[in-house]
Amino acid sequence: NAGVMQNPRHLVRRRGQEARLRCSPMKGHSHVYWYRQLPEEGLKFMVYLQKENIIDESGMPKERFSAEFPKEGPSILRIQQVVRGDSAAYFCASSPRLETQYFGPGTRLLVL
Amino acid sequence: AQSVTQLGSHVSVSEGALVLLRCNYSSSVPPYLFWYVQYPNQGLQLLLKYTSAATLVKGINGFEAEFKKSETSFHLTKPSAHMSDAAEYFCAVTLRGSARQLTFGSGTQLTVLP
Repeated sequence: NAGVMQNPRHLVRRRGQEARLRCSPMKGHSHVYWYRQLPEEGLKFMVYLQKENIIDESGMPKERFSAEFPKEGPSILRIQQVVRGDSAAYFCASSPRLETQYFGPGTRLLVL
Repeated sequence: AQSVTQLGSHVSVSEGALVLLRCNYSSSVPPYLFWYVQYPNQGLQLLLKYTSAATLVKGINGFEAEFKKSETSFHLTKPSAHMSDAAEYFCAVTLRGSARQLTFGSGTQLTVLP
């Protein structure tokens, strides 16, 4: 059973461009979570999704950020018009039910 | 609402010495508690979890943690440190029953000295 997959592992964008981060949960997991880790900080919750539904987006910035988890395919975290402050590691986690979350390797976003 | 405090952002121990990483939590309802380890430029790996069964929880790599409700603590220990234990450790809490977002502590960087 493959773990949580994230791609790309590293992403470089210039200010104003769009960033798309992908997450494929573990097989059989229907719950997906996105977290952001700023340098020298712990992880901060962004959004929790189930298939085709956003359950909790209380940690998402109100503008430029969006997330989806379609019926088919990976979950996508989209950041429009990136700014330097968006540079961070973005982690996806999945769980089979409301308990243990298993994390992917992360996408490290660098905004120039 | 819940929160986690990890005392000591950096801890150094000698190889073979006891490892003690501290975690205190605040939660309005009974919590689930977790310890994760992060190696450089990697994701988080689950070390162990407390989900209301035994209060002394054993995890991977020889680590264990004890849930103490009276002290609102969930400290992580290992009797004998190994060089490969050098990493960053995160304590996290979520609410039992809802178990959605994890709230993480700010992390403790463990250095193991030869």
